[in-house]
Amino acid sequence: KAGVTQTPRYLIKTRGQQVTLSCSPISGHRSVSWYQQTPGQGLQFLFEYFSETQRNKGNFPGRFSGRQFSNSRSEMNVSTLELGDSALYLCASSSATSVYNEQFFGPGTRLTVL
Amino acid sequence: GIQVEQSPPDLILQEGANSTLRCNFSDSVNNLQWFHQNPWGQLINLFYIPSGTKQNGRLSATTVATERYSLLYISSSQTTDSGVYFCLLYGNNRLAFGKGNQVVVIP
Repeated sequence: KAGVTQTPRYLIKTRGQQVTLSCSPISGHRSVSWYQQTPGQGLQFLFEYFSETQRNKGNFPGRFSGRQFSNSRSEMNVSTLELGDSALYLCASSSATSVYNEQFFGPGTRLTVL
Repeated sequence: GIQVEQSPPDLILQEGANSTLRCNFSDSVNNLQWFHQNPWGQLINLFYIPSGTKQNGRLSATTVATERYSLLYISSSQTTDSGVYFCLLYGNNRLAFGKGNQVVVIP
C-alpha cells in the first residue's frame, strides 16, 4: 500500500501571500490530520477531517483552514502568511471511524516565508 | 488539554548502550503512539501502544495508562537510532505531542 503523500515537498513564499498544501492519505483511510512543527513550539495539532467534515481543531488562528474531498484527499490553506508560519507541515492519515486511531505520517511540506 | 512531558530531553549514547525514554501525561488517554523522526523530518511509526507492552527487534515499549506514563526502551543502540523520539497522545477529544527526546548515538 502506498503511504501518505504530500505536495509540494518544499515551498518558498513571501509575507502576505497565501499557500495551499495537499495531502493524499493511505488508500482506505478516511481521517486526515494536519500538524505544524517549528523549533520553538514543537509539533502542534492543527485540525482533523473525517468524511469531509472537520472533527477536531487545535488552537490556531482562522488564517489556517482546511478541507477534505470525497476521495479523502485533504488540503490546508494558510492566508496572509507571516514569518512565523515558516515550518514543517505534516499530515497524517488514519482508519479511525469514531475516535483517534493509529496515525501514519507523510514526509511533510517545508514552508519558508520570507 | 493534556500535558505531555518527555524525558530526558537530550541523550548521548555510546553505540551498544541501552536507554529508556519516558513520556508522562497529565490525564487519561485513549491512545498513545511512539515515533522516530528521521533527519529529513519523516515521522516513522514505532509503536501504537495505549496500554501494555510491545516489542519490535531492539525496541520495546510499555504504557501504564493508570499511572499515566509510557516508556520506550532502546537496546544495543546503533548510530541509526539517532534522531528525535516523540510520543503522541489522544485523550479528552484532544491530540497532543510531547516535545521529544533528542538522541545521539556515537560510534
